[in-house]
Amino acid sequence: QVQLQQWGAGLLKPSETLSLTCAVNGGSFSGYYWSWIRQSPGKGLEWIGEINESGSTHYNPSLKSRVTMSADTSKKQLSLTVRSLTAADTAVYYCARGGSGWHGIDYWGQGTQVTVSS
Amino acid sequence: SYEPAQSPSVSVSPGQTANISCSGDQLGNRYVSWYQQKPGQSPILLIFHDSERPSGIPDRFSASTSGNTATLTISGTQAMDEADYYCQAWDTRNYVVFGGGTKLTVL
Repeated sequence: QVQLQQWGAGLLKPSETLSLTCAVNGGSFSGYYWSWIRQSPGKGLEWIGEINESGSTHYNPSLKSRVTMSADTSKKQLSLTVRSLTAADTAVYYCARGGSGWHGIDYWGQGTQVTVSS
Repeated sequence: SYEPAQSPSVSVSPGQTANISCSGDQLGNRYVSWYQQKPGQSPILLIFHDSERPSGIPDRFSASTSGNTATLTISGTQAMDEADYYCQAWDTRNYVVFGGGTKLTVL
C-alpha cells in the first residue's frame, strides 16, 4: 500500500520561501509522475506541477516562475519550493502520485496547511 | 488558461441519480478523471481514463465523456456521497487542470 507522508513549515511571512518534503512509503518510486497540488481556503484544487524519477518536470504556468520541484530517488522523497510568498499562497498543499497520462492521481498525502501572514 | 467548468452545486434526494457535469474545449480529446473530497480530507480518485473505476470504488459511480462534456453519474445516491467532486483533465499541452468543483448535497 502506497503512503505519502509530507512535512514542512506551516507558518511563513510574505516574501519568504516555502519548502515541503514528501516521503513515498510502499510501492515503486519509478515509473510515475509525482504531483504537488494545493487548495486555498474554501476553494478548489490547483495543480502546481509534477516531477518524475528522472527529474523531468512540468509546472503550472501561473506558478512556474516561483516553483522548483526535486526528487531524491534513493530516499524516495519529493521536495517543493515556492519562492516570494504572498497571502495568496495560503493553502493546504498535497503531494500525490500521478499527473501526466490517463491514470489519474491515485494516492494523496495528508496535506500540509501553509499560512502566509505577517 | 484552460479550466474545465463545473456547476457550483448539485442537489439530489437519497436513492436518486446525481449527474455532475464538467465542460471544456475539446474535453473529449483529453483524459478525464474524477475525484471526491469530503471536508478535512484528501481527495479520492473515483474515475480515471474517462470511465474506469479504481479497485474499491463502488459501481454506483460511473462516468462518460462526449464532445466537450464529461459527466459523473452517481446511481442510488447515499448520504455518505455528500461531498465536493472535481473533474480533472490532462493533455500534452496543458498537463493537469482541475475543474472548479461541484458541491453535492444529498437532501
